[in-house]
Amino acid sequence: AQSVTQLGSHVSVSEGALVLLRCNYSSSVPPYLFWYVQYPNQGLQLLLKYTSAATLVKGINGFEAEFKKSETSFHLTKPSAHMSDAAEYFCAVSVGWNNNDMRFGAGTRLTVKP
Amino acid sequence: EAGVTQFPSHSVIEKGQTVTLRCDPISGHDNLYWYRRVMGKEIKFLLHFVKESKQDESGMPNNRFLAERTGGTYSTLKVQPAELEDSGVYFCASSRRDRGDNSPLHFGNGTRLTVT
Repeated sequence: AQSVTQLGSHVSVSEGALVLLRCNYSSSVPPYLFWYVQYPNQGLQLLLKYTSAATLVKGINGFEAEFKKSETSFHLTKPSAHMSDAAEYFCAVSVGWNNNDMRFGAGTRLTVKP
Repeated sequence: EAGVTQFPSHSVIEKGQTVTLRCDPISGHDNLYWYRRVMGKEIKFLLHFVKESKQDESGMPNNRFLAERTGGTYSTLKVQPAELEDSGVYFCASSRRDRGDNSPLHFGNGTRLTVT
Protein backbone atom coordinates (compact mmCIF):
# COMPACT_ATOMS: atom_id res chain seq x y z
CA ALA A 1 0.00 0.00 0.00
CA GLN A 2 1.09 3.55 -0.59
CA SER A 3 2.39 5.76 2.22
CA VAL A 4 4.22 9.00 2.94
CA THR A 5 6.79 9.95 5.53
CA GLN A 6 7.26 13.52 6.62
CA LEU A 7 10.70 14.24 8.03
CA GLY A 8 10.53 16.54 11.00
CA SER A 9 7.40 17.04 13.06
CA HIS A 10 8.41 20.65 13.78
CA VAL A 11 10.25 23.14 11.60
CA SER A 12 11.10 26.67 12.67
CA VAL A 13 12.30 29.40 10.30
CA SER A 14 12.78 33.13 10.48
CA GLU A 15 10.53 35.45 8.54
CA GLY A 16 11.96 35.87 5.06
CA ALA A 17 13.94 32.63 5.18
CA LEU A 18 13.51 29.63 2.93
CA VAL A 19 10.86 27.12 3.92
CA LEU A 20 11.62 23.45 3.19
CA LEU A 21 9.26 20.72 4.38
CA ARG A 22 10.27 17.20 3.47
CA CYS A 23 8.07 14.37 2.25
CA ASN A 24 9.03 10.97 0.91
CA TYR A 25 6.53 8.59 -0.57
CA SER A 26 6.23 4.88 -1.16
CA SER A 27 4.05 3.55 -3.95
CA SER A 28 4.11 0.56 -6.27
CA VAL A 29 2.41 2.52 -9.04
CA PRO A 30 2.71 6.12 -10.20
CA PRO A 31 1.26 8.21 -7.42
CA TYR A 32 -0.75 11.36 -7.07
CA LEU A 33 0.85 13.56 -4.43
CA PHE A 34 -0.61 16.40 -2.40
CA TRP A 35 0.29 19.00 0.17
CA TYR A 36 -2.41 20.26 2.50
CA VAL A 37 -2.20 23.03 5.09
CA GLN A 38 -4.17 23.33 8.31
CA TYR A 39 -4.41 26.69 10.03
CA PRO A 40 -5.49 26.76 13.68
CA ASN A 41 -9.12 25.74 14.20
CA GLN A 42 -9.66 25.18 10.50
CA GLY A 43 -9.90 22.21 8.19
CA LEU A 44 -7.24 21.09 5.76
CA GLN A 45 -6.85 23.15 2.60
CA LEU A 46 -5.21 21.93 -0.57
CA LEU A 47 -1.93 23.76 -1.29
CA LEU A 48 -0.96 21.90 -4.44
CA LYS A 49 -1.11 18.52 -6.14
CA TYR A 50 1.01 16.48 -8.52
CA THR A 51 -0.88 14.41 -11.06
CA SER A 52 1.87 13.25 -13.44
CA ALA A 53 2.05 16.40 -15.52
CA ALA A 54 4.87 18.85 -14.75
CA THR A 55 7.22 17.68 -12.03
CA LEU A 56 7.45 21.17 -10.53
CA VAL A 57 4.07 22.07 -9.14
CA LYS A 58 3.13 25.57 -8.10
CA GLY A 59 0.50 26.06 -5.45
CA ILE A 60 -1.18 28.82 -3.56
CA ASN A 61 0.53 31.38 -1.32
CA GLY A 62 3.86 31.07 -3.13
CA PHE A 63 4.47 27.42 -2.28
CA GLU A 64 5.79 24.88 -4.75
CA ALA A 65 6.85 21.25 -4.69
CA GLU A 66 8.98 19.14 -6.97
CA PHE A 67 8.28 15.49 -7.74
CA LYS A 68 11.54 13.53 -7.87
CA LYS A 69 10.94 9.93 -8.80
CA SER A 70 14.57 8.91 -8.33
CA GLU A 71 14.45 10.14 -4.74
CA THR A 72 10.77 9.24 -4.13
CA SER A 73 10.38 12.73 -2.75
CA PHE A 74 7.89 15.58 -2.96
CA HIS A 75 9.36 18.32 -0.80
CA LEU A 76 7.47 21.57 -0.27
CA THR A 77 9.32 24.87 -0.54
CA LYS A 78 8.71 28.58 -0.35
CA PRO A 79 11.52 31.08 -1.00
CA SER A 80 10.56 33.54 1.71
CA ALA A 81 8.53 32.67 4.80
CA HIS A 82 5.79 34.95 6.02
CA MET A 83 4.30 35.03 9.49
CA SER A 84 0.98 33.91 8.03
CA ASP A 85 2.59 30.66 6.86
CA ALA A 86 2.66 29.34 10.42
CA ALA A 87 0.47 26.25 10.30
CA GLU A 88 0.61 22.47 10.09
CA TYR A 89 1.39 20.93 6.73
CA PHE A 90 0.43 17.45 5.59
CA CYS A 91 1.81 15.48 2.69
CA ALA A 92 -0.53 12.89 1.16
CA VAL A 93 -0.45 10.21 -1.54
CA SER A 94 -3.09 8.38 -3.51
CA VAL A 95 -3.00 6.03 -6.47
CA GLY A 96 -6.65 6.01 -7.38
CA TRP A 97 -8.32 8.66 -9.46
CA ASN A 98 -11.02 9.25 -6.88
CA ASN A 99 -8.84 9.74 -3.80
CA ASN A 100 -10.54 7.06 -1.73
CA ASP A 101 -7.14 5.58 -1.06
CA MET A 102 -5.48 8.82 0.06
CA ARG A 103 -2.96 8.35 2.86
CA PHE A 104 -1.52 11.20 4.92
CA GLY A 105 1.74 11.82 6.69
CA ALA A 106 1.98 12.73 10.37
CA GLY A 107 2.24 16.43 9.62
CA THR A 108 4.91 19.10 10.08
CA ARG A 109 4.21 22.12 12.22
CA LEU A 110 5.86 25.22 10.79
CA THR A 111 6.74 28.07 13.13
CA VAL A 112 7.81 31.42 11.68
CA LYS A 113 9.87 33.66 13.94
CA PRO A 114 9.84 37.44 13.48
CA GLU B 1 -20.59 27.69 -2.02
CA ALA B 2 -20.83 26.56 1.60
CA GLY B 3 -17.96 24.37 2.70
CA VAL B 4 -17.99 21.09 4.55
CA THR B 5 -19.45 21.61 7.99
CA GLN B 6 -19.00 19.41 11.02
CA PHE B 7 -20.85 19.38 14.31
CA PRO B 8 -19.99 19.60 17.11
CA SER B 9 -16.60 21.27 16.98
CA HIS B 10 -15.70 19.82 20.35
CA SER B 11 -17.11 16.99 22.43
CA VAL B 12 -16.02 15.77 25.84
CA ILE B 13 -17.61 12.54 27.03
CA GLU B 14 -16.93 9.89 29.59
CA LYS B 15 -15.76 6.41 28.76
CA GLY B 16 -18.74 4.22 27.99
CA GLN B 17 -20.95 7.02 26.72
CA THR B 18 -22.19 7.47 23.18
CA VAL B 19 -21.31 10.31 20.83
CA THR B 20 -22.60 11.11 17.37
CA LEU B 21 -20.64 13.30 15.00
CA ARG B 22 -22.26 14.92 12.01
CA CYS B 23 -20.88 16.01 8.67
CA ASP B 24 -22.62 18.04 6.00
CA PRO B 25 -20.69 17.81 2.74
CA ILE B 26 -20.66 20.37 -0.04
CA SER B 27 -23.89 20.14 -2.00
CA GLY B 28 -23.53 17.85 -5.00
CA HIS B 29 -20.48 16.01 -3.71
CA ASP B 30 -21.13 12.30 -3.98
CA ASN B 31 -17.93 11.28 -2.21
CA LEU B 32 -17.81 11.64 1.55
CA TYR B 33 -14.88 10.52 3.69
CA TRP B 34 -14.24 10.24 7.40
CA TYR B 35 -10.70 10.50 8.75
CA ARG B 36 -9.27 10.55 12.27
CA ARG B 37 -6.13 12.04 13.69
CA VAL B 38 -4.96 10.82 17.07
CA MET B 39 -2.63 13.05 19.09
CA GLY B 40 -0.14 14.37 16.56
CA LYS B 41 -0.03 11.24 14.46
CA GLU B 42 -0.99 10.82 10.84
CA ILE B 43 -4.51 11.41 9.60
CA LYS B 44 -5.99 7.96 9.12
CA PHE B 45 -8.73 7.00 6.72
CA LEU B 46 -11.86 5.56 8.32
CA LEU B 47 -14.35 5.12 5.52
CA HIS B 48 -15.69 6.36 2.23
CA PHE B 49 -19.27 6.83 1.05
CA VAL B 50 -20.38 7.23 -2.53
CA LYS B 51 -23.79 8.78 -2.14
CA GLU B 52 -25.49 6.60 0.49
CA SER B 53 -23.39 3.49 -0.12
CA LYS B 54 -20.31 2.52 1.86
CA GLN B 55 -17.58 2.16 -0.74
CA ASP B 56 -14.76 1.33 1.63
CA GLU B 57 -14.91 0.96 5.39
CA SER B 58 -11.59 -0.78 5.81
CA GLY B 59 -10.30 1.91 8.16
CA MET B 60 -13.03 1.62 10.77
CA PRO B 61 -11.27 0.57 13.98
CA ASN B 62 -13.93 -1.80 15.34
CA ASN B 63 -17.65 -2.38 15.63
CA ARG B 64 -18.08 0.38 18.18
CA PHE B 65 -18.01 2.77 15.22
CA LEU B 66 -21.05 3.12 12.99
CA ALA B 67 -21.28 5.48 10.05
CA GLU B 68 -24.39 6.27 8.08
CA ARG B 69 -25.31 8.49 5.18
CA THR B 70 -29.02 8.11 4.72
CA GLY B 71 -30.28 9.75 1.55
CA GLY B 72 -26.76 10.44 0.39
CA THR B 73 -26.60 13.89 1.98
CA TYR B 74 -25.20 14.39 5.48
CA SER B 75 -23.38 11.66 7.35
CA THR B 76 -23.15 10.67 10.98
CA LEU B 77 -20.43 8.77 12.79
CA LYS B 78 -21.51 7.19 16.05
CA VAL B 79 -19.13 5.84 18.65
CA GLN B 80 -20.81 3.50 21.15
CA PRO B 81 -19.52 2.88 23.74
CA ALA B 82 -16.62 5.32 23.61
CA GLU B 83 -13.18 4.28 24.88
CA LEU B 84 -10.20 6.42 25.88
CA GLU B 85 -8.30 5.56 22.70
CA ASP B 86 -11.11 7.04 20.59
CA SER B 87 -9.98 10.53 21.51
CA GLY B 88 -8.75 12.56 18.58
CA VAL B 89 -9.88 14.89 15.83
CA TYR B 90 -12.39 13.45 13.37
CA PHE B 91 -12.34 15.05 9.95
CA CYS B 92 -14.92 14.79 7.25
CA ALA B 93 -14.13 15.52 3.61
CA SER B 94 -16.12 15.53 0.40
CA SER B 95 -15.38 15.64 -3.29
CA ARG B 96 -17.08 15.46 -6.67
CA ARG B 97 -17.06 12.18 -8.49
CA ASP B 98 -15.23 13.18 -11.66
CA ARG B 99 -13.38 10.38 -13.35
CA GLY B 100 -9.88 11.37 -14.38
CA ASP B 101 -10.02 14.70 -12.62
CA ASN B 102 -8.73 13.55 -9.26
CA SER B 103 -11.09 16.01 -7.63
CA PRO B 104 -9.58 17.54 -4.51
CA LEU B 105 -10.93 16.78 -1.09
CA HIS B 106 -12.67 19.59 0.74
CA PHE B 107 -12.27 19.20 4.48
CA GLY B 108 -14.41 20.31 7.37
CA ASN B 109 -12.87 21.91 10.45
CA GLY B 110 -13.03 18.65 12.35
CA THR B 111 -14.60 17.51 15.60
CA ARG B 112 -12.25 17.23 18.54
CA LEU B 113 -13.40 14.29 20.64
CA THR B 114 -12.07 13.83 24.15
CA VAL B 115 -12.99 10.69 26.06
CA THR B 116 -12.24 10.88 29.80
